[in-house]
Parts: sequence; structure tokens; C-alpha cells
Amino acid sequence: QKEVEQNSGPLSVPEGAIASLNCTYSDRGSQSFFWYRQYSGKSPELIMSIYSNGDKEDGRFTAQLNKASQYVSLLIRDSQPSDSATYLCAWGGYSSASKIIFGSGTRLSIRP
Amino acid sequence: DTAVSQTPKYLVTQMGNDKSIKCEQNLGHDTMYWYKQDSKKFLKIMFSYNNKELIINETVPNRFSPKSPDKAHLNLHINSLELGDSAVYFCASSQGGYSGNTIYFGEGSWLTVV
Repeated sequence: QKEVEQNSGPLSVPEGAIASLNCTYSDRGSQSFFWYRQYSGKSPELIMSIYSNGDKEDGRFTAQLNKASQYVSLLIRDSQPSDSATYLCAWGGYSSASKIIFGSGTRLSIRP
Repeated sequence: DTAVSQTPKYLVTQMGNDKSIKCEQNLGHDTMYWYKQDSKKFLKIMFSYNNKELIINETVPNRFSPKSPDKAHLNLHINSLELGDSAVYFCASSQGGYSGNTIYFGEGSWLTVV
């Protein structure tokens, strides 16, 4: 069974600090990795995608991928109250029949 | 201008009833999906269509039947609703069936079976 594991949280971080979210996956054939953000009562929206080992930065967000260790993480710098949401890790294979597998999400709360 | 729209947003119905959820996307994507999110926020794929052709059919009870009349529409019909069907159903789309492409979600349909 292909799986994505995340700490369900809640993770509480003070405003202005760095929030670190982690995710491990079971399938070494995974090629594509994503972080989605979901506000309460809303639909998931893509924050970051990463395909190669290493870091990828976009504004306050940095995704880190380590395929050898089978983990992907998301760092949020200068955390803001608006970052309070559930963050879903997801991964996909490398064929047209592949599907994206989502983790159960980590609930992040930024405290003022 | 909503990219992926689904109706209805809220649906409360009794056990045993049959209901449908409709979805339309105006992004020009050729792949559409139905995902189910349960109370624990676990988001699980149910079906995927690429250019009206079914490409992913997860282990879903055959009470659930998707239909794609064209690549911009994907509907979900559910027969004989059960309490366990209560969840949020998300329609989504992406360009191409390659799972490396970004998935865009609709706003969700909150189904409550009583």
C-alpha cells in the first residue's frame, strides 16, 4: 500500500518563527511531490511542487526533498496568522495512469 | 470566474436515496477527478477521467458511478446512499494525466446522509 505519512499535529508556532512540516512516503518510485494548503471549510490549493532532490524556495516557503531518505518537508519562514491551515503532503508517480496520493495533513496554528 | 465549479455545495439526504453531484471546469484541462475527504481530512482519489476515458477507478462501491459527457464535465451519481458516504467530495482537474501536474480543486460538495 503506497502511503504518505504526516504528523497530524496540531503544530503551534509563534508568529514570526519558522514552521517546519514533515512528510515521509513509502514508494521509492515517487517522482513528484507537492504541498497543498487547506483552510478550514475550503478546498486544497497548491503551495509548492518539487521534483528533484534539494531545496526549492518560493517567497517565504521552502520545500526540501530527500529521495534517499524518502522524506519531503516544507519550511515557512516569518510565519503569519494567515498561514494557520492544514497542510497536505502529496506525491505522484511517473505515468499517465499514476495518481497523486495525499497524506492526512498537518494542522498548523500560528499564535500571535 | 470559477475554474472548477461543482454543485450542489451542500447536500443533506436520507439513507437509501440517490443523488448526483455535477462538476465543470473552464481551464481547458483534459483530466478530471473525484476525491473524497472524510472527517479526518484524509483526501482519497475515487476516479479519474482523461478526455472522457476512465483511467483511475479506485476501490469504490459500485453505488458510485461517474460520468463524463465531455472533457469539461465530470458528474458523480451515488445510489442507495449510506451513512458512511457522508464526506466532502471534491472535483478537480489537471492538464494531462501525468501525476506531476498541478491539480486544481473545486470548492467541494458537503454530503450529509441522515
